[in-house]
Amino acid sequence: GENVEQHPSTLSVQEGDSAVIKCTYSDSASNYFPWYKQELGKGPQLIIDIRSNVGEKKDQRIAVTLNKTAKHFSLHITETQPEDSAVYFCAASSGTGFQKLVFGTGTRLLVSP
Amino acid sequence: SAVISQKPSRDICQRGTSLTIQCQVDSQVTMMFWYRQQPGQSLTLIATANQGSEATYESGFVIDKFPISRPNLTFSTLTVSNMSPEDSSIYLCSVETNGNTIYFGEGSWLTVV
Repeated sequence: GENVEQHPSTLSVQEGDSAVIKCTYSDSASNYFPWYKQELGKGPQLIIDIRSNVGEKKDQRIAVTLNKTAKHFSLHITETQPEDSAVYFCAASSGTGFQKLVFGTGTRLLVSP
Repeated sequence: SAVISQKPSRDICQRGTSLTIQCQVDSQVTMMFWYRQQPGQSLTLIATANQGSEATYESGFVIDKFPISRPNLTFSTLTVSNMSPEDSSIYLCSVETNGNTIYFGEGSWLTVV
């Protein structure tokens, strides 16, 4: 089955810096790669996603890149702000016809003012 | 997007009892999913709930422990049966929209004492 690895587990940056979180997946049939932000005491919030027919997607300060050959995808946050501090999860669909997600282990991002 | 409401949001339960969690979506969806997030951990899929058929469980999860109902296209329930402290987790309802995007509710935070 699908396996998703996520690095780093923790990431500390200064406000205004960029942050990059990387994930690798194992199932070449996976076709959907969402990223979620989870703040303390809340459920996961979808912040951006990418599908296997696209190499890059941007939404304001957030971007995701996908390398299907290498089976890895990354989240890029520019001009980080303290409110970006949260746990970020990557996920990949299992490719079995509906979007059954396998999650990475999460990255705790801390943005210091 | 989708607005997903879960009840209860939090509960403290006695060991040996059962608790039913409700999930309501603001639009009709074909696929609903239940995930578990143990303290400080990532998300793990429990089962997929299809309307009109039995839920499909992932390895390590069984119907006797986590019975699921899906009576219509906007509602599902998950019961956590005969609870033990090891069942203390966040239980998350998730839906796949018609645009094949996955959203999560805010979760039901269960503590078993």
